[in-house]
Amino acid sequence: QVQLQESGPGLAKPSETLSLTCTVSGGSISGYYWSWIRQPPGKGLEYIGYIYYSGITDYNPSLEGRVTISVDTSKNQFSLTLSSVTAADTAVYYCARLNDYGDYRLDYWGQGVLVTVSS
Amino acid sequence: IVLTQSPGTLSLSPGERGTLSCRASESVRTTYLAWYQLKPGQAPRLLIYGASKRATGIPDRFSGSGSGTDFTLTISSPEPEDLAVYYCQQFGSSPITFGQGTRLEI
Repeated sequence: QVQLQESGPGLAKPSETLSLTCTVSGGSISGYYWSWIRQPPGKGLEYIGYIYYSGITDYNPSLEGRVTISVDTSKNQFSLTLSSVTAADTAVYYCARLNDYGDYRLDYWGQGVLVTVSS
Repeated sequence: IVLTQSPGTLSLSPGERGTLSCRASESVRTTYLAWYQLKPGQAPRLLIYGASKRATGIPDRFSGSGSGTDFTLTISSPEPEDLAVYYCQQFGSSPITFGQGTRLEI
């Protein structure tokens, strides 16, 4: 059973950089796409971006320029950095596996981590 | 692609069939349409993919249908544990997008 676990600071200061890591267990990171999604308080889900295990990335244009997703296959981890954060970046951040074998879906998700942007 | 879900909130009695709608601003191939269930404090759960295929372990009271721009999630006989927010999602056009969600009250 594939499991994902987000980790990282729960608090970031305005204008600083938010960094989160997702550790994948129970399966290899190779062969799949891995994504980040967030949910601001009281709002819906927002796609941030994804990375293929080979390093190919795709980002939401609304965040492009501030977001970077990287992968470390040796550690079975992938990471998110979001720069120049503001209060609008306060959200629960989820990592998930994007499975494109056959139909597309996010089939495994982490529990999520709340990141608050505040001074 | 903008996904518009309706209604915003759906109130059902246990056993009362419910229908959740997801309308896309452009046509979406069924292979790119999925539904998720979100409960507070829990990881989101994949319900339906390929517009109509139930994910592993999903009860058969959940079913998906539709094509083109109109998709539906049906809960045939809701149970109290189905209290959650339901989202549709499309992968067919970049950026990947979600609907705004339908809150299900039992």
